[in-house]
Amino acid sequence: GQNIDQPTEMTATEGAIVQINCTYQTSGFNGLFWYQQHAGEAPTFLSYNVLDGLEEKGRFSSFLSRSKGYSYLLLKELQMKDSASYLCAVRDSNYQLIWGAGTKLIIKP
Amino acid sequence: SAVISQKPSRDICQRGTSLTIQCQVDSQVTMMFWYRQQPGQSLTLIATANQGSEATYESGFVIDKFPISRPNLTFSTLTVSNMSPEDSSIYLCSVPQGDTLSGANVLTFGAGSRLTVL
Repeated sequence: GQNIDQPTEMTATEGAIVQINCTYQTSGFNGLFWYQQHAGEAPTFLSYNVLDGLEEKGRFSSFLSRSKGYSYLLLKELQMKDSASYLCAVRDSNYQLIWGAGTKLIIKP
Repeated sequence: SAVISQKPSRDICQRGTSLTIQCQVDSQVTMMFWYRQQPGQSLTLIATANQGSEATYESGFVIDKFPISRPNLTFSTLTVSNMSPEDSSIYLCSVPQGDTLSGANVLTFGAGSRLTVL
C-alpha cells in the first residue's frame, strides 16, 4: 500500500530552527508537496519538490531524496505564527495525491 | 490564486439528517475536489466534481452517501446524507491551479466545514 510517515508533533523554541521529516512509499512519484495548516483554517501551499535537492523560499526550505523516499521541511528563525500543522503529500504515478497525517508544530517563547 | 468561499463553516447535526455544504470559487475551474479531514488523520479525497458529468468517487465513498452537484464551473455542493457520529469531520473543497514559481499544480482549499453529528 501507499504510505506517508511524518512525526505527529514537534516542539521548538522561538528563533530556533526545526526540521520536519517525511518518508514515503508510493506507487511512483510525481512530486512532493508541503502545506501549512493553522488550527481551524485551510491548508496553504508551502513548497514543491520534484527533483532531488534543496528548494529555498525565505525562512522555509524543503529537501527531497527520491532514492531514499525522504523529504524534510526546514523552518529557520521560528516565529510564534509558525505554530501550525505541516502536511506532506506525494503525487503518485496516477497523479493522485497521497497525504500524510501532518505534524503539529508547537513554538514556545 | 483562486478564492474559495465555503459554507457552512461549522454545524451541529442530528443523527439521520443530511447537510449540504456549498463551495463557490471566484474563477472558473474544471475540477473541484472534496476532501474529508478527521482529527489526527490525513486528508482523504472523497470525490472529484467535474462540470457536466457525474462526480468520480474514491474507494470507500459512494454517491448515495455523498451526493455531489456541479451545476457550473464556479460552484459545487457536497451533501452528507443520513449522518451518523462517524461522519463528524471537517469537509474541505479544493481546486487545482498552477503555481507560477514552482510550476507545480497546487491545491487551493476552502476554509472547511466542521460537522459534529450527535
